Amino acid sequence: ETGVTQSPTHLIKTRGQQVTLRCSSQSGHNTVSWYQQALGQGPQFIFQYYREEENGRGNFPPRFSGLQFPNYSSELNVNALELDDSALYLCASSLEDEQFFGPGTRLTVL
Amino acid sequence: QQQVKQSPQSLIVQKGGIPIINCAYENTAFDYFPWYQQFPGKGPALLIAIRPDVSEKKEGRFTISFNKSAKQFSLHIMDSQPGDSATYFCAASKGGKLIFGQGTELSVKP
Repeated sequence: ETGVTQSPTHLIKTRGQQVTLRCSSQSGHNTVSWYQQALGQGPQFIFQYYREEENGRGNFPPRFSGLQFPNYSSELNVNALELDDSALYLCASSLEDEQFFGPGTRLTVL
Repeated sequence: QQQVKQSPQSLIVQKGGIPIINCAYENTAFDYFPWYQQFPGKGPALLIAIRPDVSEKKEGRFTISFNKSAKQFSLHIMDSQPGDSATYFCAASKGGKLIFGQGTELSVKP
């Protein structure tokens, strides 16, 4: 186990709703990255937070937003959910290059 | 566009065989190349990683071969076991943003 935890495990929402996903990083790690993994695909980088500041963003619209807290835990918020947002959302914590992933949150949008 | 291309999509080997998974990248700025193993319903687990100044790295039964001039790298799994059956992802990174390949589904038959 990596020590990275995510909640909730599963979530079902309807189109147009908003969702918040949470991640607790491994002890001592100051960087959290979020990824979206569609079924049968590799994870895609959403954004990264370093010491509470956004530190890079992938090709995702502004309705994907995030936060990092002083204890380095993090949230991913998605507004105006679309059907294509259905995926496994992964967070990874790191201190340097090695990224350690949590178990993910499975989001289903109906 | 930054891309990492992975092949094959799926692979079946007998127990004790040596599956080989290949990846190619485009961006010469990438400076960190990890491999992840993912079981169904779980987050990716870091297996082994290499930097471009090294041509080969071994950790246990896992070996990465790296060809900087060809912009290619590969994963070899020695003495493969049924428990190695999983999906394997290569990735490339610059500044901590991982770009993943599409994944290889490995099945090791007893």
